[in-house]
Amino acid sequence: AQRVTQPEKLLSVFKGAPVELKCNYSYSGSPELFWYVQYSRQRLQLLLRHISRESIKGFTADLNKGETSFHLKKPFAQEEDSAMYYCALRNTDKLIFGTGTRLQVFP
Amino acid sequence: NAGVTQTPKFRVLKTGQSMTLLCAQDMNHEYMYWYRQDPGMGLRLIHYSVGEGTTAKGEVPDGYNVSRLKKQNFLLGLESAAPSQTSVYFCASSFRHRGHTEAFFGQGTRLTVV
Repeated sequence: AQRVTQPEKLLSVFKGAPVELKCNYSYSGSPELFWYVQYSRQRLQLLLRHISRESIKGFTADLNKGETSFHLKKPFAQEEDSAMYYCALRNTDKLIFGTGTRLQVFP
Repeated sequence: NAGVTQTPKFRVLKTGQSMTLLCAQDMNHEYMYWYRQDPGMGLRLIHYSVGEGTTAKGEVPDGYNVSRLKKQNFLLGLESAAPSQTSVYFCASSFRHRGHTEAFFGQGTRLTVV
């Protein structure tokens, strides 16, 4: 069965510190992996997807098939990065989310 | 361009009452999803649809029914509401083709069952 695991419920850092939000998945096929973000009082929105290999707002995520991981990284956190982050996996039809990690960036 | 719109935004139900949540999208997406969001549980898939007239069960389908009579609408029904169904419900839609599967979300419906 497909599963997405985000082991940290809360991650607190100071502004300028590096950030890594962990995501591990279980899926036997070739998944599509995403990071979605939910800022306070806003709807969920796509942050980035593995297939694009892009950097959005300074965030990057690399798919590691050997470790079945898709960790989200940013070298220098900003206060405006404070939000709820969800890792998601899509197979043919279903879009499954992890439990989310709340990132708090202190000034 | 409205994107994904959910109706209503808030609702309070008494145990045993029924209600229907409406999700409408204007992007001609094939796929539509209903999730519930609970503290510490993340987003859990209730039901989904891969096209007009089709529906399928997600991770937590019990106590819910859905219908997709029109491509742009996806309805979530609670026949007999229970306090355990107190949650924030999100609808999402996306295209089908790999590489174009970004999901767009509605603003959420906060449901309280007393």
